[in-house]
This record gives sequence, C-alpha cells and structure tokens, in this order.
Amino acid sequence: AQSVTQPDIHITVSEGASLELRCNYSYGATPYLFWYVQSPGQGLQLLLKYFSGDTLVQGIKGFEAEFKRSQSSFNLRKPSVHWSDAAEYFCAVGANYGGATNKLIFGTGTLLAVQP
Amino acid sequence: SQTIHQWPATLVQPVGSPLSLECTVEGTSNPNLYWYRQAAGRGLQLLFYSVGIGQISSEVPQNLSASRPQDRQFILSSKKLLLSDSGFYLCAWKSFVETPNSPLHFGNGTRLTVT
Repeated sequence: AQSVTQPDIHITVSEGASLELRCNYSYGATPYLFWYVQSPGQGLQLLLKYFSGDTLVQGIKGFEAEFKRSQSSFNLRKPSVHWSDAAEYFCAVGANYGGATNKLIFGTGTLLAVQP
Repeated sequence: SQTIHQWPATLVQPVGSPLSLECTVEGTSNPNLYWYRQAAGRGLQLLFYSVGIGQISSEVPQNLSASRPQDRQFILSSKKLLLSDSGFYLCAWKSFVETPNSPLHFGNGTRLTVT
C-alpha cells in the first residue's frame, strides 16, 4: 500500500536560514509526488509536484524539491526562509485507481515555525 | 477559472445531532470530488471520493456518509454526531480530463467541534 512519512513533526528555523523538510514514500511504481502548504485555518495550497523528468522541481514561493528514487525521498528545500513561510507542510503521493491517479495519500505534516 | 466553495467555515454541534457540510465547485465539469478530515497530528485522512453523480467510494468505516446529488456538489453528512467526529474537514476537486498526476484543489475547510 502507498504511504508517506514525514519524520519531523515540528521544525523551527531562523529567518534567513535554509530549510529542508523531509518526506519518504512507499510506492511500487513511479510515484506522483506533491508538496502542499497550509496556513492556520485554511485549505491546502500546492507548492510543487513531480511525476517524471528532471528530479529537481521548482515550485512557488521559492521552494524546490528533489526526487531521489534510491532513497524513496522527496525533500522540500528553500535557501532562505521568510517569516511568512511559517505554516504546516504536507507531502503527498498519488495513488493509482483504475489506471488513473484519483487519490492522494498525505503524510502527517511538518509544522514550521520561523524565529525572527 | 475554477473555484471551490465549502461551508460553513466553523460549526459547533452537540453529540447526537445531524450534520450536513456542503461543497460546490464552479468552472469545471465532471470533477473528481473528495472529502478529507484533518485531525491534530494525524495528517489528512481521505474519507470519501466521487468520480461522478451518485458514485461514492468510502475509504474508512465511520459514522459519516457522502452524497453527490449534482455534478459539482458534494455533501458530507451524519445522522448522529459523535465526539470523535470533531476535526477539520476539507473538500477538494480534481479535473478528470487532466493527466493522472494533476493535483487536488482544496477548499478552505470546515472546523467542526462536537460538544
């Protein structure tokens, strides 16, 4: 069965510091991978996605993620964090159903706090 | 452009009362529709999804049900709420005509507190 693990429940970084959020997945075929961000009390916004091609994908708000098949990882990175990046981040893998990817399986999320 | 509306934003209901949460999508036809529940520290749990009118798939056994009476309307219901139904409920849609790797688009969620 497909699954996603985000080992860090809570991370605190200083503003201007670099950031890496970890994500490991379990999936038997080529995965479709996503990162979403959620501000408090809000829905989820897509940051970026990977499904094939270049293993380093660029997203919105200066985020990027690297797909590493050998490590079953899809870690999210940002070179310099801004205070507005404080939010909860979710990694997700697309699950096939009937030949089409109809469902996303989410990790438990990483809550990011940014210190001034 | 496509938009998704979810209401109410917050809801406080007593145990044993009924529930109806509504979600509508505009600007697209025949979307795939989803209900997720988010509990603290547990990520997002897929509850139901629908690929067409009247077609509902349930992911987990529970006290809730879903219906899709119209193409772009998705309703989450319960006849009698339990304390454990408290949480943040998110509706989402996905275009069925896009490639399988297309993302989900989420509503702003409903915070349900069962007292």
